[in-house]
Amino acid sequence: NAGVMQNPRHLVRRRGQEARLRCSPMKGHSHVYWYRQLPEEGLKFMVYLQKENIIDESGMPKERFSAEFPKEGPSILRIQQVVRGDSAAYFCASSPSGENYEQYFGPGTRLTVT
Amino acid sequence: AQSVTQPDIHITVSEGASLELRCNYSYGATPYLFWYVQSPGQGLQLLLKYFSGDTLVQGIKGFEAEFKRSQSSFNLRKPSVHWSDAAEYFCAVEPGSYQLTFGKGTKLSVIP
Repeated sequence: NAGVMQNPRHLVRRRGQEARLRCSPMKGHSHVYWYRQLPEEGLKFMVYLQKENIIDESGMPKERFSAEFPKEGPSILRIQQVVRGDSAAYFCASSPSGENYEQYFGPGTRLTVT
Repeated sequence: AQSVTQPDIHITVSEGASLELRCNYSYGATPYLFWYVQSPGQGLQLLLKYFSGDTLVQGIKGFEAEFKRSQSSFNLRKPSVHWSDAAEYFCAVEPGSYQLTFGKGTKLSVIP
């Protein structure tokens, strides 16, 4: 049973470009969570999605960030017009349902903005 | 708002020594509690969790944690540390809102 998969593992973007981060949840999991880890910080919640629905996006910056989890395919976290402050590790987690609070994490995507 | 405090940023222990990593949380009720471990450049692996019941929880890799309601603490322990335990450890709480709130982490170094 494959774990949570994220790609790319490393992403380098110039300021002003777009970054697209992908997350495939574990098989049988329909709930996806995105977290951001800044240097020397713990992980901060960004958004919680179910298939075709955003359940809680209270941790998402108001501008430039968006997330989706389509009926088919991986969840996507998109960052438009990236700035240096967006450089961080972005982790995706999944769980089989909202009632099971155990979240399984992927290896993360490390975004570097130059 | 809930918060998680891990007061030790960095701990160094000798291989074979015992280990205790501290975690305190601030929340009105008893949340769900977790410990995760992160090796350099890797994702997070769940070590153990507390939902309810017995306050002493056993996890993987020989780790255990004890929930103390009176102290709002959930400290992680291991009786004998191995060199492979060197990593960063994160305590997290989940108060019923699907969001995990993490502490800032404790980096563990192990001296051979």
